[in-house]
Amino acid sequence: GNSVTQMEGPVTLSEEAFLTINCTYTATGYPSLFWYVQYPGEGLQLLLKATKADDKGSNKGFEATYRKETTSFHLEKGSVQVSDSAVYFCALSRMYNAGNMLTFGGGTRLMVKP
Amino acid sequence: DTGVSQDPRHKITKRGQNVTFRCDPISEHNRLYWYRQTLGQGPEFLTYFQNEAQLEKSRLLSDRFSAERPKGSFSTLEIQRTEQGDSAMYLCASSPKKIQETQYFGPGTRLLVL
Repeated sequence: GNSVTQMEGPVTLSEEAFLTINCTYTATGYPSLFWYVQYPGEGLQLLLKATKADDKGSNKGFEATYRKETTSFHLEKGSVQVSDSAVYFCALSRMYNAGNMLTFGGGTRLMVKP
Repeated sequence: DTGVSQDPRHKITKRGQNVTFRCDPISEHNRLYWYRQTLGQGPEFLTYFQNEAQLEKSRLLSDRFSAERPKGSFSTLEIQRTEQGDSAMYLCASSPKKIQETQYFGPGTRLLVL
């Protein structure tokens, strides 16, 4: 079946440090890939997505590239801010019965210190 | 565009009681999804509607769970005879016709079963 594996957290960084959160997936076919972010006390927000191999999704300084050969979709940001502290979820979407069900990883908590 | 809304935001109930949650999707989004998120985990798919038709149900959805979307707008999720294991965050998401793989999440309903 489909699955998503993320690096376990928490990840603790100082402000302006470089961020990488690893995500790998197992899926049949060619799923779309997503990163969602959950700030404390809030719901999931779509951060970025990529729908086919070699696509790069980007938003708010974050980016991730859909790597079919390594089945990966690692999240990166060149310089993190305290406001980026949140839980980040990698997910894949598979089409089934006319719907797109999301399969999520376990989440990675990021803590950015000033 | 007011986003996906859910009601109530929090619910505490005693084991054995029935509870019902409501989700109002973004206007004109034809697809609506329910997910469950337990503490420290990623969300897990429960069920999905296209307009008023329930097209897919996860095996996680026991016969104590029922969901409806009677007019293809809002949806309700009912849990009968609640158990302590039902304690979780229940998330609703909707997606538009033109960007079907992208889901927009509500803030969730946090259920605690005592």
